[in-house]
Amino acid sequence: SQELEQSPQSLIVQEGKNLTINCTSSKTLYGLYWYKQKYGEGLIFLMMLQKGGEEKSHEKITAKLDEKKQQSSLHITASQPSHAGIYLCGADSDGDTGRRALTFGSGTRLQVQP
Amino acid sequence: ETGVTQSPTHLIKTRGQQVTLRCSSQSGHNTVSWYQQALGQGPQFIFQYYREEENGRGNFPPRFSGLQFPNYSSELNVNALELDDSALYLCASSSPGAWRETQYFGPGTRLLVL
Repeated sequence: SQELEQSPQSLIVQEGKNLTINCTSSKTLYGLYWYKQKYGEGLIFLMMLQKGGEEKSHEKITAKLDEKKQQSSLHITASQPSHAGIYLCGADSDGDTGRRALTFGSGTRLQVQP
Repeated sequence: ETGVTQSPTHLIKTRGQQVTLRCSSQSGHNTVSWYQQALGQGPQFIFQYYREEENGRGNFPPRFSGLQFPNYSSELNVNALELDDSALYLCASSSPGAWRETQYFGPGTRLLVL
């Protein structure tokens, strides 16, 4: 079965600093999703990446997919306290059948200090 | 457009009891997936319903069962509750037809088993 490893597990940064979160898969990535979760709440969709080399941005968050390395990175520029939360990567665990089950990493906990 | 809703928000049960959790999918979505998220972990796929039929199941015992109704809302039932069933239960819906369509999550139901 597919496993996703996220690094770092937790991160504390000063407001205004840049940061990167990585997600590495044990198998080929067919679709990679990034979600944000406030503690104990539901997941908020950020971005989906499908193709190798694909890069997407939303406000100050950029995500990239490196298909060869089976890895995705999430980069936040000029972090703000509103960026604090748990970032989760999820991948389609059934590459060809279209069953939309997601396998998730264990998350990266981000704190942004004012 | 109405997002994914779940009820109840919190629930306390005792070991051996049964529980039913409910989910209303986002307007226009006919696929509902259920996930269990233990504290400090990423969500784990329980099962998925598509057009009222189970369309894939994760590594969960048969005492976890579900239903999907003609309006695409869904229920998760757990029988013979165990202490380890304490978790945040998340429901996600996705739209029909599209390959690798994004799953949108509800706010979750936090279940505590004593």
